Amino acid sequence: GENVEQHPSTLSVQEGDSAVIKCTYSDSASNYFPWYKQELGKRPQLIIDIRSNVGEKKDQRIAVTLNKTAKHFSLHITETQPEDSAVYFCAASKGFQKLVFGTGTRLLVSP
Amino acid sequence: GAGVSQSPSNKVTEKGKDVELRCDPISGHTALYWYRQSLGQGLEFLIYFQGNSAPDKSGLPSDRFSAERTGGSVSTLTIQRTQQEDSAVYLCASSWGLAGGTSGELFFGEGSRLTVL
Repeated sequence: GENVEQHPSTLSVQEGDSAVIKCTYSDSASNYFPWYKQELGKRPQLIIDIRSNVGEKKDQRIAVTLNKTAKHFSLHITETQPEDSAVYFCAASKGFQKLVFGTGTRLLVSP
Repeated sequence: GAGVSQSPSNKVTEKGKDVELRCDPISGHTALYWYRQSLGQGLEFLIYFQGNSAPDKSGLPSDRFSAERTGGSVSTLTIQRTQQEDSAVYLCASSWGLAGGTSGELFFGEGSRLTVL
């Protein structure tokens, strides 16, 4: 089955810096890669997703890149703000079935 | 309903007791997931239901864990003979699944926090 690895486990940046979180997946059949943000004490929420027919997708300060050959995908957050502090999870699935999550990255943005 | 509803929100039980956790997904969602999140940890996949297909139970940690989904809607996760290591937040999520068109977004419930003493 699918296995998703995520790095780093924790990431501390200064406000205004960029943050990058990386994930790898094992199943070459996976073609859907979402990212979820979980604020402290809250439920995870989708922030951006990408499918295997594109290599990059942007939404304001957030972007995701995908390298199908290497089975890597990454989340990029630019101009970080304190409210970006949260745990971020990557995930992978084939189609919209059985979404498997990475282990999470705790991002701390210091003012 | 407006969102995914889970009950109870908190459950404290004694080791060896059975517990049932309930999930009421968003109406019309064909896919339903259970995940487990231990304190400060990731989202551990437990089980996945898609429509009327046989569920994918590959994430259930032992045969003490079982889940069912009645009528393609409400789901119950049952843990028999609970152990202290079962203490965690159990999150349910639903999505449009294979009927999702262009969206695979999972909508999570608030979770059921289980504490086994």
